[in-house]
Amino acid sequence: DAGVIQSPRHEVTEMGQEVTLRCKPISGHDYLFWYRQTMMRGLELLIYFNNNVPIDDSGMPEDRFSAKMPNASFSTLKIQPSEPRDSAVYFCASSFGGRAFFGQGTRLTVV
Amino acid sequence: GQQVMQIPQYQHVQEGEDFTTYCNSSTTLSNIQWYKQRPGGHPVFLIQLVKSGEVKKQKRLTFQFGEAKKNSSLHITATQTTDVGTYFCAGGERGSTLGRLYFGRGTQLTVWP
Repeated sequence: DAGVIQSPRHEVTEMGQEVTLRCKPISGHDYLFWYRQTMMRGLELLIYFNNNVPIDDSGMPEDRFSAKMPNASFSTLKIQPSEPRDSAVYFCASSFGGRAFFGQGTRLTVV
Repeated sequence: GQQVMQIPQYQHVQEGEDFTTYCNSSTTLSNIQWYKQRPGGHPVFLIQLVKSGEVKKQKRLTFQFGEAKKNSSLHITATQTTDVGTYFCAGGERGSTLGRLYFGRGTQLTVWP
């Protein structure tokens, strides 16, 4: 198994642009999580899905952030419009039975 | 809401010294997990503790889960430079062994050769 796959690994974009981060969870996992990691705030849970259904999106910072999981093998996190304070590493993780497997992350820089 | 506090935030040790990081929850947990993140990497699962008072060992690493299932610790004996990284604890919601995890802020360990 290739593990959790995220793309792109790095993204540099200008303020105001739309950014889409992608995640392919491990096959058979029924939970998918989106986290954001910064030096200031640590690892923050943004949203998580169970069986493709969003369960808790209370961590999504504002309406500029949205996430979808159209099927069990794909999820996206979209930021529109992006702002410099969105610069961070975004991790996707999936789990089955509690243990979480993280992707390698997307390092987003908004200039 | 549920919070998981972790201390210390940073720890610098000489190679060969011991290291301990502590995790405390505001509520009773169903389980506690520990992850390690190397610099520039992603969190990687180390272990899960489920039972009250449980102690598990992985070579030089010892993990404990408190009797009240509200605290946990990770102890590394005789640190090595390969132990460098950030160690996170993550608590599972009471009543569930699945679902979301509440991560601590992590302890960043630096080991001097």
